Amino acid sequence: DAMVIQNPRYQVTQFGKPVTLSCSQTLNHNVMYWYQQKSSQAPKLLFHYYDKDFNNEADTPDNFQSRRPNTSFCFLDIRSPGLGDAAMYLCATSFRTGGSSAKNIQYFGAGTRLSVL
Amino acid sequence: GQQVMQIPQYQHVQEGEDFTTYCNSSTTLSNIQWYKQRPGGHPVFLIQLVKSGEVKKQKRLTFQFGEAKKNSSLHITATQTTDVGTYFCADLYGNKLVFGAGTILRVKS
Repeated sequence: DAMVIQNPRYQVTQFGKPVTLSCSQTLNHNVMYWYQQKSSQAPKLLFHYYDKDFNNEADTPDNFQSRRPNTSFCFLDIRSPGLGDAAMYLCATSFRTGGSSAKNIQYFGAGTRLSVL
Repeated sequence: GQQVMQIPQYQHVQEGEDFTTYCNSSTTLSNIQWYKQRPGGHPVFLIQLVKSGEVKKQKRLTFQFGEAKKNSSLHITATQTTDVGTYFCADLYGNKLVFGAGTILRVKS
C-alpha cells in the first residue's frame, strides 16, 4: 500500500547529540512537510519542501534542518537537541498541481517520538 | 498571520450523546479541512470544505462551512467509543495548513 513511513518510531538521544529522523513516501507527492507536535497541542509546521524548494517557517529554530535528496525521502536533522525538543515529529505529504491548492490533502506518517535525556 | 480558533478544548460525553466542535477566524478562511487524531496516532484527513455554506455528511458526521467562510463546525450524532480522539480543523493557506488547537473528545460507555 502507498504510504508515508517514518523511522524510527521511537528515538532516544542525549542532550546536545545530533539526531536524524527519516521519512519516505510511496505516494509520489511533490510536497513534504515536517511538523513538531507536543502533548495536547496541534501540529506545528517546521518547514516544507515543494519539489526541491525548501520553505522554512519564520519561527523554526536554526537547530532544525532538513534535507530532501529525492522525491521519496526527506530527513529532519536536529543539530543539538535540547530538553524542549522532546516531542512527536510528524512527516506529511501532499500533491499540488499548478497554481491550485484546492486538493492539498495531507497524508501523515505515524510519527517519531523523540526523547532527550 | 492567519489564525484559526477552535472550541471547546475538551469534551467528555456519554456514549450516544451528540458532540460538536467549532472553528472560527477573524479573516476569511480559504478551504477548511478536518482531521482526526486517535490517541497515540497521527492526524487522518476527514474532509475538505471549499464553498460558502457547504454542508457535507459522512455517516454520523456532519461538516458545515459558514456563509461568510469565517467559521466551520463538525457535529457527531450519537457518539460511539470509536469516535474518541482529537479533532482538528485546519485552514489551507497556500501550501500550508494552519491548524486550530483541536478538540479532545472522550466518550464514556
